[in-house]
Amino acid sequence: EPEVTQTPSHQVTQMGQEVILRCVPISNHLYFYWYRQILGQKVEFLVSFYNNEISEKSEIFDDQFSVERPDGSNFTLKIRSTKLEDSAMYFCASTPGDSGAEKLFFGSGTQLSVL
Amino acid sequence: AQKITQTQPGMFVQEKEAVTLDCTYDTSDPSYGLFWYKQPSSGEMIFLIYQGSYDQQNATEGRYSLNFQKARKSANLVISASQLGDSAMYFCAMRRKNTNAGKSTFGDGTTLTVKP
Repeated sequence: EPEVTQTPSHQVTQMGQEVILRCVPISNHLYFYWYRQILGQKVEFLVSFYNNEISEKSEIFDDQFSVERPDGSNFTLKIRSTKLEDSAMYFCASTPGDSGAEKLFFGSGTQLSVL
Repeated sequence: AQKITQTQPGMFVQEKEAVTLDCTYDTSDPSYGLFWYKQPSSGEMIFLIYQGSYDQQNATEGRYSLNFQKARKSANLVISASQLGDSAMYFCAMRRKNTNAGKSTFGDGTTLTVKP
């Protein structure tokens, strides 16, 4: 089965630093998402992206966060000035469509630790 | 707004027995999809099973079945013949179904431990 790939698998950063989390969605998928999970708790929606623009975002996704699809394959999440509470597992996901019947194809996640 | 409730933080089951993981939901959308995902200790999210709100039959995928009771707004996951490898966290999730389905909403998860 095709896979969503995420890099790096682990990222350690100092509070206040910028981080960029990278994802390569499945090639024929059109809808891209970022979710986060704090220490084995619930999976929280951050943002969805379609046709080179944000289609939906949560209240977590404030001005410190941004997403970009800089080329035809990569999808990135940038956190401008990291806070301790940004420490979490960040999952990228993609779907081929947006009818609601599609499962999320998740990447293996990036564990972000903010010190 | 959509809400998923998983009331069992942890469950134990004996190997080879069946186990039911509970999920109730709330939504004002007339059409929606319900999903279960498994998260082993390695951290990846694995899709297990899907049920559409207008599907006439309960979904089944191998040892997994979804006990869908629409009137009660419940979508319980049944795992038959539990195996040690089933030990993991299980998340119930939902999406509205239309041309702009958008985000998935997840429950808090249930940690299942299979005892040998």
